[in-house]
This record gives sequence, structure tokens and C-alpha cells, in this order.
Amino acid sequence: NAGVTQTPKFQVLKTGQSMTLQCAQDMNHNSMYWYRQDPGMGLRLIYYSASEGTTDKGEVPNGYNVSRLNKREFSLRLESAAPSQTSVYFCASNMGLAPNYEQYFGPGTRLTVT
Amino acid sequence: SQQGEEDPQALSIQEGENATMNCSYKTSINNLQWYRQNSGRGLVHLILIRSNEREKHSGRLRVTLDTSKKSSSLLITASRAADTASYFCATDPSGNTPLVFGKGTRLSVIA
Repeated sequence: NAGVTQTPKFQVLKTGQSMTLQCAQDMNHNSMYWYRQDPGMGLRLIYYSASEGTTDKGEVPNGYNVSRLNKREFSLRLESAAPSQTSVYFCASNMGLAPNYEQYFGPGTRLTVT
Repeated sequence: SQQGEEDPQALSIQEGENATMNCSYKTSINNLQWYRQNSGRGLVHLILIRSNEREKHSGRLRVTLDTSKKSSSLLITASRAADTASYFCATDPSGNTPLVFGKGTRLSVIA
């Protein structure tokens, strides 16, 4: 039982390059989330998927797209990376939104955009 | 925008002392959760307290919730160096939207 896994762990991009962050969970959770964490800003929600087949914007969605590939996998894509997207990205999952169960987090992806 | 705001932003104590962190929020909630984040790691869930509960214990953790003041506190008793981490509160503001996390309290426990 691996929990929530994320790949890659580290990535360096040049401005304008694209990449996809992968996330998978093996807990049969319905809901999945992407956050970014910046110093002094706490966790900010980028996108979430309440259930398979649905996605919704969070607090800071600009510059990102997501795909809920199936119940297990939720990917985050940066189409044209910008230095402002330098951050640590966390994927999380839980059983659902109503009520809001505890979230399980992946280990994070550290992204630097130069 | 953050719903929960932790206070203090940083806290440094000696091993064996108690550590208290506070969280204030703005709107009514269904529940409030506390998480810990060790340096370079993802967040780990510590405890959940529902809006109709006033106090909850888990090992050395004690959480209180005052819905009239829209605030919660996390007490870690007899702290250890291994408790050094950032602690976040997260609120569930309504029945069908994601948790909202605060900015966290950085706790340093000095041996």
C-alpha cells in the first residue's frame, strides 16, 4: 500500500517549457487535489477532482491544467512554464468532500523554472 | 484566500515543555483538522475535531474548538525534538468544497 505517489521528485524547467506532474493513489479515494506551497504562503489549492470524471478550479488555477485519468490518477500540466511557477507541488487524496475526510499527501515535486 | 490563520508563525521551545498553537477562521465550519509537515515532506493528518465537539485528545495532542470565537488550539504536551515541524490547521467551510489550509506554525523543539 504505497498511499499517494508523485513523479518526478525534482524538476528544472526553462521558461516556456511544458511538463506534466503525475499523481497516483491506491486507497480507492474518490477525491484528489493539487496544491502548491510557497514560503510564507502555506498551501494553495490549484485544482481538485471531487470524483472520477470531474475537475474544478481552486484558488490559483491560472497556468495549469489537470486530467483525472481514472480513479487512481490525477495529473497536473504546465503548458508554458513561468518563473512564478517555481514551487513545491503536492498531490493529495481523500474519500470525499461531504464531509471532508482527512487528506493523504504525496511527498511533493520540487519544481524550479529558470 | 486562507480561511484559517495560525498563530504564532514560529515557536521555539525546550524539550519537555508544552507547545500551544492557535488557529482562527472566518466562516462557519463542519470540522477543523490539524496537520504536521516535517521538513521536505508532505503533510500528515494529526486530528479532526467536529463543529459539535469542544475538545479532543490523541496521545500527547489536545485540540480545542470554540465555534463562538471561531478559533482552535493545538497543544502538544511534553514536547520532543522529533515534534519539530510545521503545523497547519485546515477548515471544512461547507459541505461540498475542499479543505482550506492556513499558513502554518513552525515549531522548533530544542534538545
